[in-house]
Amino acid sequence: NAGVTQTPKFQVLKTGQSMTLQCAQDMNHEYMSWYRQDPGMGLRLIHYSVGAGITDQGEVPNGYNVSRSTTEDFPLRLLSAAPSQTSVYFCASSAGTPPDNEQFFGPGTRLTVL
Amino acid sequence: KQEVTQIPAALSVPEGENLVLNCSFTDSAIYNLQWFRQDPGKGLTSLLLIQSSQREQTSGRLNASLDKSSGRSTLYIAASQPGDSATYLCVTTDSWGKLQFGAGTQVVVTP
Repeated sequence: NAGVTQTPKFQVLKTGQSMTLQCAQDMNHEYMSWYRQDPGMGLRLIHYSVGAGITDQGEVPNGYNVSRSTTEDFPLRLLSAAPSQTSVYFCASSAGTPPDNEQFFGPGTRLTVL
Repeated sequence: KQEVTQIPAALSVPEGENLVLNCSFTDSAIYNLQWFRQDPGKGLTSLLLIQSSQREQTSGRLNASLDKSSGRSTLYIAASQPGDSATYLCVTTDSWGKLQFGAGTQVVVTP
């Protein structure tokens, strides 16, 4: 199993550009989520999904959109990038909803918005 | 709102010394507490998970304790090695499944 994969690993955007961060898992996990990690702060939840076709907002959802058309994929879209979105983004998945299920994290995408 | 604090933010020790990493949290109504390891360019790896009813968990050279009443957890790493160099994250989970991450302690073990 590849586990949780994320692409790209690094990305530089200009303010106002749009892009999609990809996340895929091959463990047939129902629960997937996106976090951002900023210096001196813990990871913060952006959006999550409890299954295909179902998504919900986390702690810091503004400026981000998600969709879940398949169990395997959970892309994160930035419609109009802003410098405040410069961060490291992590995708995670688990067999079921926390807290009873161990979460598996991807390697992260480091995004810089100029 | 749960707040998770890890002190110190960074730590450097010589190889062979024992490591003590501290985590404190403000809301004692946690479901469980996890310690993760984060390596540069890689994802988070779960090290130990302590259920709210447990006092400690052990895995090899790692031991984590939990004191809910005082809102504290400690991760002990015995006989540190250069390969232990990483950032260690403390994460609480409430009964609704909400995770709250600490900012982490960056550890450097020098040969």
